[in-house]
Amino acid sequence: GAGVSQSPSNKVTEKGKDVELRCDPISGHTALYWYRQSLGQGLEFLIYFQGNSAPDKSGLPSDRFSAERTGGSVSTLTIQRTQQEDSAVYLCASSGQTGFSAEQFFGPGTRLTVL
Amino acid sequence: AQSVAQPEDQVNVAEGNPLTVKCTYSVSGNPYLFWYVQYPNRGLQFLLKYITGDNLVKGSYGFEAEFNKSQTSFHLKKPSALVSDSALYFCAVRERYSSASKIIFGSGTRLSIRP
Repeated sequence: GAGVSQSPSNKVTEKGKDVELRCDPISGHTALYWYRQSLGQGLEFLIYFQGNSAPDKSGLPSDRFSAERTGGSVSTLTIQRTQQEDSAVYLCASSGQTGFSAEQFFGPGTRLTVL
Repeated sequence: AQSVAQPEDQVNVAEGNPLTVKCTYSVSGNPYLFWYVQYPNRGLQFLLKYITGDNLVKGSYGFEAEFNKSQTSFHLKKPSALVSDSALYFCAVRERYSSASKIIFGSGTRLSIRP
C-alpha cells in the first residue's frame, strides 16, 4: 500500500513569506507526527496528533509555527514569516498503533530553503 | 528528562567485517528503544525496537541490537557489513510510562561501508 507522502518535496521561499507543508499519512493511521531535521542534526520533534485528542504542540519552536489535521487524516504545517533558520527538512510520520512502543512510518520529507 | 546520545558521528567499516553503532540513553525507568535508518534520498525506515523480554532484538536487513540496562545502552550490530548498509542511523528513546508523547532521537551516526 501507499506510504506516507509529503508535498512539496522542495520549497524555496523568501524570508518573511508564509509556507504550507502537507502530509498525507498512511490510510487508517491515527497518529501523526511532524519533525524537523537540520543539516547534520538529529530529528527535532515539533507536534503530535492522536485521533481526536488535542495535539501535543510542545515541540513547536515559536508561535510562527502551527499545524492542523483535518478529518483525522491530512495534516498541514504552516510557518509564518519564515526566517533563514527555518531552513531544514521537515518530516512527517504516522503510526497505526496507539501506545508508546509503536514504530513510526516516515514520509520522504519537504526540504525548505529560506533565502 | 529523557535523552539519547550517539557518540560517533561516523563509523567506517570494511565490507564483511562486523559493525557496531553505539547508542546510550537517559530516561526514568525502563524505556522503549528504537533504531531507524535513513538511506540517501529516502525517508527514515524503522529497523527494530526493544519493548520487553529478550535483551537481544533482531530486526530488518540482518541487524540486531542489545539492550543493556546497567550500561543504559542499545548498540546496533551486524555480524557482516554490506556496502548497501551505508546510511544514516538514528537511535531513539521513549519513556515507558510517561504521559509525554515525544520520542527523542539521537543526532545520528553515518555508517560508511567500504568495499
